[in-house]
Amino acid sequence: DAKTTQPPSMDCAEGRAANLPCNHSTISGNEYVYWYRQIHSQGPQYIIHGLKNNETNEMASLIITEDRKSSTLILPHATLRDTAVYYCIVRGGNDYKLSFGAGTTVTVRA
Amino acid sequence: NAGVTQTPKFQVLKTGQSMTLQCAQDMNHEYMSWYRQDPGMGLRLIHYSVGAGITDQGEVPNGYNVSRSTTEDFPLRLLSAAPSQTSVYFCASSPRETREKLFFGSGTQLSVL
Repeated sequence: DAKTTQPPSMDCAEGRAANLPCNHSTISGNEYVYWYRQIHSQGPQYIIHGLKNNETNEMASLIITEDRKSSTLILPHATLRDTAVYYCIVRGGNDYKLSFGAGTTVTVRA
Repeated sequence: NAGVTQTPKFQVLKTGQSMTLQCAQDMNHEYMSWYRQDPGMGLRLIHYSVGAGITDQGEVPNGYNVSRSTTEDFPLRLLSAAPSQTSVYFCASSPRETREKLFFGSGTQLSVL
């Protein structure tokens, strides 16, 4: 599986958009980008995933660059409840296994 | 519909003791897995199962056994607990149709003295 690189931490103001970057320069053609988050002491929660097209759901938007070497998770209107560790994961489409790195600790401030 | 249920929530063991962490899901999910999370770190995959009767090793399988006799249950056994196994353990499941969407339990915090 391709490795991912995320900043260790970032702050965001409540009500503003939070843009979380992820680099995955060694991603291969059949590998998807997944995002999960983990609110303190809870199990991780699935947010969104994509292959090459931009994706949007009720939680967030995922923007994948044309060369697929990086992506950005966008939380459009961050709230205090979005404070969590966010994990960017790359995995092959037929693979069940997900590997979680250190992620980005996002703190939303009032 | 309870989702993924893990028991116990907390456990303290002495070195050398054995125990089983329980995981059950009521969503008829095909895939189940166990992760451990050490302080300040991401999750590491211990074992996983793609269906009843089928299990395989993840990144850190040593010291742990699993079995999958039913679709619903996926217990994790510590054969002889060691202090290095002090961690928070998470069980997860996902359906065949959307295998990327893992549903996690609330975790078991294990301390080995």
